[in-house]
Amino acid sequence: AQSVTQLGSHVSVSEGALVLLRCNYSSSVPPYLFWYVQYPNQGLQLLLKYTTGATLVKGINGFEAEFKKSETSFHLTKPSAHMSDAAEYFCAVSDQYGAGSYQLTFGKGTKLSVIP
Amino acid sequence: SQTIHQWPATLVQPVGSPLSLECTVEGTSNPNLYWYRQAAGRGLQLLFYSVGIGQISSEVPQNLSASRPQDRQFILSSKKLLLSDSGFYLCAWSGGRREKLFFGSGTQLSVL
Repeated sequence: AQSVTQLGSHVSVSEGALVLLRCNYSSSVPPYLFWYVQYPNQGLQLLLKYTTGATLVKGINGFEAEFKKSETSFHLTKPSAHMSDAAEYFCAVSDQYGAGSYQLTFGKGTKLSVIP
Repeated sequence: SQTIHQWPATLVQPVGSPLSLECTVEGTSNPNLYWYRQAAGRGLQLLFYSVGIGQISSEVPQNLSASRPQDRQFILSSKKLLLSDSGFYLCAWSGGRREKLFFGSGTQLSVL
């Protein structure tokens, strides 16, 4: 069974500052990892994903995340926060679920506030 | 390209009333379909998933049910809503094989 832990339900950063959102996972198989972003009253949009290969993955809007197997982590970063980055961010891990089917397990989310 | 439609966007229902939320996917065939619920501070909870017509798996015991009458249609229902059913409901689809999910825009359900 898989699980995801996002440290910090709420993170505040100043505009222009580094964004760091933490995610740790557990998985019984090599994980596929995802970060999603959700703006108020909207569905979730994929920011980036890691499947295999390069452990540093780049996503949309200047975000990137690094898969660290030894630390079972997949932290999301952005060098310089923008006001438009204010949203809720979800980390997710994909694992097998039933015969031939996979599901994503989500963390509880981290709400990012950007202070002007 | 594939699209996912979910409606209504918002819904206010009295306790004890029925519920029907609909989700349809276009541009793909035989998708895996999912219903998630998002309650404040609790993240996303998987309610149901379906790998084919008439095949529904339930994740948690609850007051809700799901049906898949057509390949690209997924319906979330309740015969009698409870206050605890309030939340933000998201439909999603994937192509299977550990692929990413594509989400609908969600339905904000308030049970009063």
